[in-house]
Amino acid sequence: KQEVTQIPAALSVPEGENLVLNCSFTDSAIYNLQWFRQDPGKGLTSLLLIQSSQREQTSGRLNASLDKSSGRSTLYIAASQPGDSATYLCAFFRVGTGGFKTIFGAGTRLFVKA
Amino acid sequence: ETGVTQSPTHLIKTRGQQVTLRCSSQSGHNTVSWYQQALGQGPQFIFQYYREEENGRGNFPPRFSGLQFPNYSSELNVNALELDDSALYLCASSAGLANYGYTFGSGTRLTVV
Repeated sequence: KQEVTQIPAALSVPEGENLVLNCSFTDSAIYNLQWFRQDPGKGLTSLLLIQSSQREQTSGRLNASLDKSSGRSTLYIAASQPGDSATYLCAFFRVGTGGFKTIFGAGTRLFVKA
Repeated sequence: ETGVTQSPTHLIKTRGQQVTLRCSSQSGHNTVSWYQQALGQGPQFIFQYYREEENGRGNFPPRFSGLQFPNYSSELNVNALELDDSALYLCASSAGLANYGYTFGSGTRLTVV
């Protein structure tokens, strides 16, 4: 069973739309959760970090929420722009058997049309 | 303040060979982790080092090994390369045990032929 699931896998929207990207995880004992964007063939750029004791974080047009009890996080993108086109990844950090570990979802590929 | 830098950016190796990838952590960061990302997939956690000691490992065989140096830079070594090892290898650093999140490098693209 996937430890982290991101829905939808891909999304194409016209410019200006508000978007919600979903991330669900099976382990509630997370240390923190981080959202990243990745442009094709590139490394990851951090967007937002939510500690396990927090409920949400905001940066500009981005807002991320965390509900540990239900195993869900959402990334809200307001007024989407073509420059937002990228793959968005969520990852959680936990301590378990084998020590510390970071678990990524497979990502949501977003395309914003001008 | 410099970010995370990885070298080389691209590499082609032959099956059975060994490879070493390098990572310089962001200034002030003492934790480094390594990931393998196959095309179209999310990064897979390989291992993490904190103050020169491995403190976490994913589901990768022992031929994947690493080091962290006193200046907190790091190496990923892969022995007996297989075709499936072809991927983007990402390094990330953090201050403490990811309390402040991870900063990623741009990655090394490894192709095994």
